[in-house]
Amino acid sequence: GNSVTQMEGPVTLSEEAFLTINCTYTATGYPSLFWYVQYPGEGLQLLLKATKADDKGSNKGFEATYRKETTSFHLEKGSVQVSDSAVYFCALARSSGSARQLTFGSGTQLTVLP
Amino acid sequence: DAEITQSPRHKITETGRQVTLACHQTWNHNNMFWYRQDLGHGLRLIHYSYGVQDTNKGEVSDGYSVSRSNTEDLPLTLESAASSQTSVYFCASSESGSRHNEQFFGPGTRLTVL
Repeated sequence: GNSVTQMEGPVTLSEEAFLTINCTYTATGYPSLFWYVQYPGEGLQLLLKATKADDKGSNKGFEATYRKETTSFHLEKGSVQVSDSAVYFCALARSSGSARQLTFGSGTQLTVLP
Repeated sequence: DAEITQSPRHKITETGRQVTLACHQTWNHNNMFWYRQDLGHGLRLIHYSYGVQDTNKGEVSDGYSVSRSNTEDLPLTLESAASSQTSVYFCASSESGSRHNEQFFGPGTRLTVL
């Protein structure tokens, strides 16, 4: 079946540090890949997405590249801010069947210290 | 502005009681979803609907039911609440037609079953 594996958290960084959160997936066909972010006390919101191999999604300084050869979609940001403190979820939408469902990873808590 | 709302935001109930969590969206989306969020598990799909009168079981549907009588609402019912159902519940909606479509999430309901 489909699954998403994220690096274990929590992750604590100093402001302006480089961020990488690893995400790998298992799926048949060509899934779409997403990163969602959850700020404290809120619901999830879409951060970025990529719909085919080698696509790069980007938003708010975050980037992730859809790597089919390594089945990965790692999230990166060159210089994090305190306001980036949140939980980050990697997710996929599979390419057939009940295609509108999302499968989520377990989430990675990020804390950025001033 | 279109939005998705959930009520109540917090609920404490006792084992064995019936509980209904409300979800209302004004996006006019056909697709609606219920997830539960537990530490270490990310979000897991409980039930989903692709339109009025359509409902489907997700990964963790035992003990839950939904009904879809109109486009805007998908209430989630716990028939006989159990302590294992203590969790944070999120409702989401999306447009039909593409697996790439973003899901929009409500703010969540924190349910405690004593």
